[in-house]
Amino acid sequence: EAQVTQNPRYLITVTGKKLTVTCSQNMNHEYMSWYRQDPGLGLRQIYYSMNVEVTDKGDVPEGYKVSRKEKRNFPLILESPSPNQTSLYFCASSFSSGDTEAFFGQGTRLTVV
Amino acid sequence: GIQVEQSPPDLILQEGANSTLRCNFSDSVNNLQWFHQNPWGQLINLFYIPSGTKQNGRLSATTVATERYSLLYISSSQTTDSGVYFCAVEETGANNLFFGTGTRLTVIP
Repeated sequence: EAQVTQNPRYLITVTGKKLTVTCSQNMNHEYMSWYRQDPGLGLRQIYYSMNVEVTDKGDVPEGYKVSRKEKRNFPLILESPSPNQTSLYFCASSFSSGDTEAFFGQGTRLTVV
Repeated sequence: GIQVEQSPPDLILQEGANSTLRCNFSDSVNNLQWFHQNPWGQLINLFYIPSGTKQNGRLSATTVATERYSLLYISSSQTTDSGVYFCAVEETGANNLFFGTGTRLTVIP
């Protein structure tokens, strides 16, 4: 089954403790991205990757890192999480940016206390 | 940047009723998608529809790219249709799906 898989689905952590949210897709998509969803602000892009070893900042990249060492995986790294990073996070993938359909993962609900 | 407006912001329907959700966007796009976010937070793809009309069961969508709007039709609504419906567009030349603020639909039995 074609899908985008995020782990974990739920995470509660403490301020400053490094964490990684994994994202994997099995559709051989070149383009992957991360979004966060906050009440009243909708979904906003954090980082995106056009292909392996090619990443770039989205609209809200501060406090996050990403890597794209393999086509299928695009982990989101919070080196020193803070409470303002409490949010619902989504990973997405598509064959390319622009004129192709994007598929989203199930979401990761992160709480930083 | 591109502006995406969805209307209405909230909608309450009796089960079995029909509805039309609208998405207006301010610039030319090469990607438009409709999503349903269920009460558990999952984003479910409904339509990839940068232009034209598509149908999938009780749902259909139409995008008139030249007039910069898209419509999502829900017929014979069911309680499982409840949730938030998002329109998302990608501006020509951009690398970012930009989401509208959504329409929250509540279907009551």
